[in-house]
Formats: sequence, C-alpha cells, structure tokens
Amino acid sequence: DQQVKQNSPSLSVQEGRISILNCDYTNSMFDYFLWYKKYPAEGPTFLISISSIKDKNEDGRFTVFLNKSAKHLSLHIVPSQPGDSAVYFCAARNYGGSQGNLIFGKGTKLSVKP
Amino acid sequence: DTGVSQNPRHKITKRGQNVTFRCDPISEHNRLYWYRQTLGQGPEFLTYFQNEAQLEKSRLLSDRFSAERPKGSFSTLEIQRTEQGDSAMYLCASSRTGGTGELFFGEGSRLTVL
Repeated sequence: DQQVKQNSPSLSVQEGRISILNCDYTNSMFDYFLWYKKYPAEGPTFLISISSIKDKNEDGRFTVFLNKSAKHLSLHIVPSQPGDSAVYFCAARNYGGSQGNLIFGKGTKLSVKP
Repeated sequence: DTGVSQNPRHKITKRGQNVTFRCDPISEHNRLYWYRQTLGQGPEFLTYFQNEAQLEKSRLLSDRFSAERPKGSFSTLEIQRTEQGDSAMYLCASSRTGGTGELFFGEGSRLTVL
C-alpha cells in the first residue's frame, strides 16, 4: 500500500501563475515531509521541508503547507517560472521506523508554459 | 564538485551478467543510502549504511543484491545474475545523522538489462 500519494501525474501552469502540487499520506508517524525536484537524467534535488509540528514553511517562491488532520500537504510555487518545469516528489520520513529512510510518492510532472 | 558521485552513469548488460555500481558520498556525511527508481515511480528505498554498518535492508533487496561500504566512505552495489526486471535507475544519497531527513542524491546509475 502506498503511504505517500501524489494523485496528479501532471500539472500544466502558465508562467507567472501559481503552481499547487498536492500530496496525501496515511502514516501518522511521519515526522518530516520533504519536496524534491527532479530534472531528466539527474538525481532528485532537495527543495523544501516541513516538520510535522509546523503547518507552514516558506522559502522564497516555495511554500509548503501541512494539514495534519487531513494528512495532506501541498507545495505552492509563486510565481511559476519555465525553469520550474520538472518532476516533483513528495517524501516523508517515518520517525517510528528506520532512521532517515524516506518514502516517496510517484511524482507530479509540472510544466510551466511561457 | 563536492556532491554525491556515482559511476558508471549508464550500464547496459545482458541478462545473467553481474554489475557493480559505485557511490562516493559527500565527505562529511556518515550515512549513505541506495534507492531504486523505475519509470513512473518515485525512488524506492533499498538499503542504508551508517559509517560502515549496514543498518537496514528493504524487502526489495533480493539475495542477488549486495551492498558494501567497507571503510565508511564509498559504497558499492552489486547485482548478480541480472534480470530484465532489474532495469532501473539506481540512486545513491548521503546525509548526516539526525537533521530534518534531507538526503543529497547523486545523478544515478541507469541499468539496462537486455
């Protein structure tokens, strides 16, 4: 069973507008949530994270929101730029499980059109 | 470049052959992870080391797979008697102990089994 779910395989957004990528999880033991960005033929690159005790974390154009009651998090990119076009993975760390093992969603491919 | 380094970047082999991948982590990181990514999926955890000790192995790591980190620095992942189902991107990542769960990934080694 998938513990981290990204239900939208793809998202297309106009340059300058907001991109919202969503992620749902099932395990209440997750203590950190992370977003990674991946370009073709490259490894994933860390983008932003949020602790399970917070509900918002912001870094420049990127903001992650966490709704623990709904077991849902989202990544907002404002304004979106063509260089943001990539696959975005949501990941979660299981505090009760192995130390540092991240569980990833299947990813959402973001296309930002000029 | 002081990031995570993996080689070879691409390996094509025939079914039944053995292959070995190498990973050089960021020098001050004591944890090293191996993940596997197939098309349309997020990275899936295989195994991780803290220094030279292999602390956890996933069920995905069949007995044909072996990973080592002999001196707590670089690591190798060997696949014996390769099968077509082993075709994937093999990702290495490293991190410090503790922290927020952020892993630093290499660019990956793509395996194609014919």
